[in-house]
Amino acid sequence: DAKTTQPPSMDCAEGRAANLPCNHSTISGNEYVYWYRQIHSQGPQYIIHGLKNNETNEMASLIITEDRKSSTLILPHATLRDTAVYYCIVRVLHNSGAGSYQLTFGKGTKLSVIP
Amino acid sequence: NAGVTQTPKFQVLKTGQSMTLQCAQDMNHEYMSWYRQDPGMGLRLIHYSVGAGITDQGEVPNGYNVSRSTTEDFPLRLLSAAPSQTSVYFCASGVGEAYYGYTFGSGTRLTVV
Repeated sequence: DAKTTQPPSMDCAEGRAANLPCNHSTISGNEYVYWYRQIHSQGPQYIIHGLKNNETNEMASLIITEDRKSSTLILPHATLRDTAVYYCIVRVLHNSGAGSYQLTFGKGTKLSVIP
Repeated sequence: NAGVTQTPKFQVLKTGQSMTLQCAQDMNHEYMSWYRQDPGMGLRLIHYSVGAGITDQGEVPNGYNVSRSTTEDFPLRLLSAAPSQTSVYFCASGVGEAYYGYTFGSGTRLTVV
């Protein structure tokens, strides 16, 4: 799986949009970009994923650059409950072998939402 | 629908003791896995299973055993606990295909003294 680079920490004012960047310059054509978050020692929570088109769900939006070398997770109206560590992960599209199931977690970005 | 259930939530072991961490899911997911998370670190894969009767090693398998006799259950066994195994353990399950996210349990916090 391609490696990802994220800033270690970010702050965001409550009610404002939180934009979390991720660099994955070595991503392959068959790798998706996934985002998970972990709220204070709880189990990670799946947020969103995408291949090359922008994606939106009830939690967030995912913007992937045209060359797919970077992406941004957007929380449109951050709340205090969004304070968490956010992980950007890339993994293969198809299950061609055991390793394709694995999620490789880095250290993520610690997002602090400030009142 | 309980999702992924891990028991116990907390456990203290003495060095050399053995124990089993339980993980159960009720979503009929084919894929299950165990991760450990050490302070300030991301999660690391210990073992995983792609279906009943099929298991394989992840990144940090030493000192742990797993089995998958049913689709629902994926227990993690510590054979002889060591202080280096003090960690938070998370179980995850999923349908396997890369199109979906995995569901994680709430974790087991293990301390080995």
